[in-house]
Amino acid sequence: SQQGEEDPQALSIQEGENATMNCSYKTSINNLQWYRQNSGRGLVHLILIRSNEREKHSGRLRVTLDTSKKSSSLLITASRAADTASYFCATVVTGANNLFFGTGTRLTVIP
Amino acid sequence: DAEITQSPRHKITETGRQVTLACHQTWNHNNMFWYRQDLGHGLRLIHYSYGVHDTNKGEVSDGYSVSRSNTEDLPLTLESAASSQTSVYFCASKPGQGPYEQYFGPGTRLTVT
Repeated sequence: SQQGEEDPQALSIQEGENATMNCSYKTSINNLQWYRQNSGRGLVHLILIRSNEREKHSGRLRVTLDTSKKSSSLLITASRAADTASYFCATVVTGANNLFFGTGTRLTVIP
Repeated sequence: DAEITQSPRHKITETGRQVTLACHQTWNHNNMFWYRQDLGHGLRLIHYSYGVHDTNKGEVSDGYSVSRSNTEDLPLTLESAASSQTSVYFCASKPGQGPYEQYFGPGTRLTVT
């Protein structure tokens, strides 16, 4: 399977703390994307990082990509209760167009 | 506002019945996708389409079919529903084959009894 894997599977933090989620994948990629899924809802795109980029920011989100280690991390700073959700990484393999999703990290932010 | 919708949102059916799940997007996106989401597996690709009359098999296509007769719709058909197809199904779309984000529908929860 080309599916990525997130670590940890579940994370519980206090409001205001930072949350870090990691993603590892197996093959050469074109880009890597992070999505959020609130309970019972569809996925919402957060950020896309291309294979030639090492770091990207969007508001309170910071994504890093290390293609030599085939890994990425998503950092959410100053977390809020509204950040409680599942977070998925998804890769687009080199030469392909489709997303391969990881199994997700369930983040709980305690008010 | 442009959107992507799925119907029905919930469906209970019996083993062996044919079921069709609808997906409709108003972004005029060429690429459309169907995924299923199961605990422990994340999202897995069932079928996808790059344009009208184009369909392709994904990772878990056995027992499913799609057809694309226009840009807006990509219905997913379960030819003979099985209990193993109990899942949550998501439709998604994106503008083209470049590095674009995918836009997801709200999902259809299907139970096969």
